[in-house]
Order: sequence, then structure tokens, then C-alpha cells
Amino acid sequence: DVKVTQSSRYLVKRTGEKVFLECVQDMDHENMFWYRQDPGLGLRLIYFSYDVKMKEKGDIPEGYSVSREKKERFSLILESASTNQTSMYLCASSLLQGGNQPQHFGDGTRLSIL
Amino acid sequence: GDSVTQMEGPVTLSEEAFLTINCTYTATGYPSLFWYVQYPGEGLQLLLKATKADDKGSNKGFEATYRKETTSFHLEKGSVQVSDSAVYFCALSDSTSGTYKYIFGTGTRLKVLA
Repeated sequence: DVKVTQSSRYLVKRTGEKVFLECVQDMDHENMFWYRQDPGLGLRLIYFSYDVKMKEKGDIPEGYSVSREKKERFSLILESASTNQTSMYLCASSLLQGGNQPQHFGDGTRLSIL
Repeated sequence: GDSVTQMEGPVTLSEEAFLTINCTYTATGYPSLFWYVQYPGEGLQLLLKATKADDKGSNKGFEATYRKETTSFHLEKGSVQVSDSAVYFCALSDSTSGTYKYIFGTGTRLKVLA
């Protein structure tokens, strides 16, 4: 079974802090994704990566950056955290070949910015 | 652009009732379709998928049929259990454009009463 592990289940930070969310997958997947999940809005894509050191902006990249130095690890960075970034963050991975591959999700990180 | 529309919840049913959660989509190409389930405090898990027209995905008593003519992928279960209480997401993946983005519906919360 694919395992996607997010480093923290719950995180509390202060406004202006630089925040790192880490995600690791163990199935050699090429694609990795970061979403945020908010009530009534579903999942919104922040960034995705289809290879090491490659990244593409999703629908809401403002205020975020990402890093993919190794194939198994995809980090989300909040450069200067703000209260409107309080949310549930979900990491996912999938195989590259074809759009018929499902995504595999981590358990999420519930981030609160005070 | 591509989109997924799900019926709004919450849906409240008694145990052993029949479940239908509607999902319709718009896509420029030939998408693959997915249903994911999210239990409280967890990430999303793949429930079932269908990759071409008339395919039926099934798992754990849930079924959905890819209907190209009505652009629909409705989720059904003949007899729900309390343990099915969760949020259900319909999603599509369309690789026609050359990227492998996934589009999610906003989710439908199901509550099953004993």
C-alpha cells in the first residue's frame, strides 16, 4: 500500500512566521501535490510537482512556495504566515503515467495561524 | 475549464437505507472519474474509479457508472451503515491537456443514523 506521510497532524504558528509542512511518499511516485481544504470550498490546489526540482502553480499559489529536492519529499512553505492561511493542508501523490491514476493522500495537517 | 458538481449535503439517512450522491462533470477531453471518501480527522481515500465510458467502479458495496451521455458519475449504495458516515468527494482527472491535474467537487457529507 502507498503511504503518504505528513510530518504533523496539528500545528499552531504565529503571523509572520515562516512555516514548513513536510510530506513524504514511499511508492516512487513522480507526481506530488499540495492542497488546502476549507469548509464549503472543497480541495484547492496550491502547487504540484511532476519531477524532482520541477514545480507548477496550482489555483491558489499566492503566499506559498514549494521545494522538491528528492523524489519522495515535497515541502510546502508559507513564507510569512497570515491568519487567512489557517486551514487543513493535504498532500497527495500519484504515478505520472496517464490521468487514470488515482491520487494517494496523507492524513492532513491542521494548521492554525494566530 | 473542467469542473465537477456534487449535490450539496448534508445527506442524513437511516441505517440500511439506499444512498445516491449525484455527481456531474464537464471536461474537454476524456477524463477518468473517481470517488474519494474522507472519514473524520483523516485524509482522502480512493473509494472507486472508472476510466472510460460505461465502466462501473465498485468497492465496499458502493458503485458508480461512468455515463458519458449524461456526463454523470453518481455514487450509490444499496444499504448504508453507520460506519459509512463520512464526506464523499467526486473527482476527475483529464490528461488531454498534457497535465495531470485533478478536479474535485466540494464534497457531500453523509450522516447515517442507527
